[in-house]
Amino acid sequence: DAKTTQPPSMDCAEGRAANLPCNHSTISGNEYVYWYRQIHSQGPQYIIHGLKNNETNEMASLIITEDRKSSTLILPHATLRDTAVYYCIVRVGSGGYNKLIFGAGTRLAVHP
Amino acid sequence: EAQVTQNPRYLITVTGKKLTVTCSQNMNHEYMSWYRQDPGLGLRQIYYSMNVEVTDKGDVPEGYKVSRKEKRNFPLILESPSPNQTSLYFCASSGGQGAYNEQFFGPGTRLTVL
Repeated sequence: DAKTTQPPSMDCAEGRAANLPCNHSTISGNEYVYWYRQIHSQGPQYIIHGLKNNETNEMASLIITEDRKSSTLILPHATLRDTAVYYCIVRVGSGGYNKLIFGAGTRLAVHP
Repeated sequence: EAQVTQNPRYLITVTGKKLTVTCSQNMNHEYMSWYRQDPGLGLRQIYYSMNVEVTDKGDVPEGYKVSRKEKRNFPLILESPSPNQTSLYFCASSGGQGAYNEQFFGPGTRLTVL
């Protein structure tokens, strides 16, 4: 699985958009980009995933560059409850059998 | 409600005293796994199971055992716990091959081995 690079920490004001970047320059054509988050020692929570196209769901949007070497997770209106560690994970396939390799992630702090 | 449950949530024990952490999911998922999380090391996979009676080692299996006798349950067994197994443990499940790959995680079990 490709390695990812994320900033260790970011700040965001409540109500503003939080844009979390992720570099995955060695990504292969069959590797998907996944985002999970972990709120203070709770179990990680799935957010979104994508292959080539931009994706949006009720939690967030995922923007993947055309060359697929980087992506951005966007929380459109961050709230205090979005304070968490966000993990960008790149892995082969969309089936459910493969393990997730978690890096250090980005610690997002949302301020009032 | 779709969920993964773990018990106990907190456990303090002593070296060498066998313990079992239970994990159960109600989503009929084929794939289940155990992770441990340690400061500076992130989450690492201990064991996983692709279906009933099928288990395999993850990245850090030493000192642990698992079993998968039923689809819904995947207990983690520490036959002789040691202090270096003090950690936060998570069980996870997902729908398996071809299924939408959202892994559901349990709430965690914080284990302290004295």
